[in-house]
Amino acid sequence: KNEVEQSPQNLTAQEGEFITINCSYSVGISALHWLQQHPGGGIVSLFMLSSGKKKHGRLIATINIQEKHSSLHITASHPRDSAVYICAVYKGAQKLVFGQGTRLTINP
Amino acid sequence: DADVTQTPRNRITKTGKRIMLECSQTKGHDRMYWYRQDPGLGLRLIYYSFDVKDINKGEISDGYSVSRQAQAKFSLSLESAIPNQTALYFCATSDFSAGYSEQFFGPGTRLTVL
Repeated sequence: KNEVEQSPQNLTAQEGEFITINCSYSVGISALHWLQQHPGGGIVSLFMLSSGKKKHGRLIATINIQEKHSSLHITASHPRDSAVYICAVYKGAQKLVFGQGTRLTINP
Repeated sequence: DADVTQTPRNRITKTGKRIMLECSQTKGHDRMYWYRQDPGLGLRLIYYSFDVKDINKGEISDGYSVSRQAQAKFSLSLESAIPNQTALYFCATSDFSAGYSEQFFGPGTRLTVL
């Protein structure tokens, strides 16, 4: 079993819908990283968090350390949000362990 | 200009050839990483370096070697490329801190070994 599991693996939605992507992990962590990988392959950091909630524009990330679970939400989704979203956790010493990614497609 | 650059962006080579992938950064970060990404699998760590004199193996270092020529440069070599090393390779950097910090990724190098 992977140490970091994301769900769903694939998600297709209509423009304007509220999107939730989940990440569960089985190890003790110091922080969690949400990343976005564009269709062209480039990877961009969205959030890094160790507790609570962070918001940037239409994106919201939450983490529950006790339940070993994090969620990434996108409000008022748009086709340009179509990408692969990757959850990664720090197990210590600044080494990341990655989930397999969630492929999101937003249709106009 | 991009903060983390990788060269080449695409490379096709033959089995047995030696290949070097280069990574440069202008962020002034101490820590640099090499990852590979395969379809259906998450990113996996090949090597990482916390400063110029520090090199560490990641989870899949066999068949690879690295060189940290300067704080800003970290190269990945495939001494004798094989087809199952066909993948997308990413370099990343992060700042030194007592705990953890955000990682910044290069644009990736798509390597095909025939």
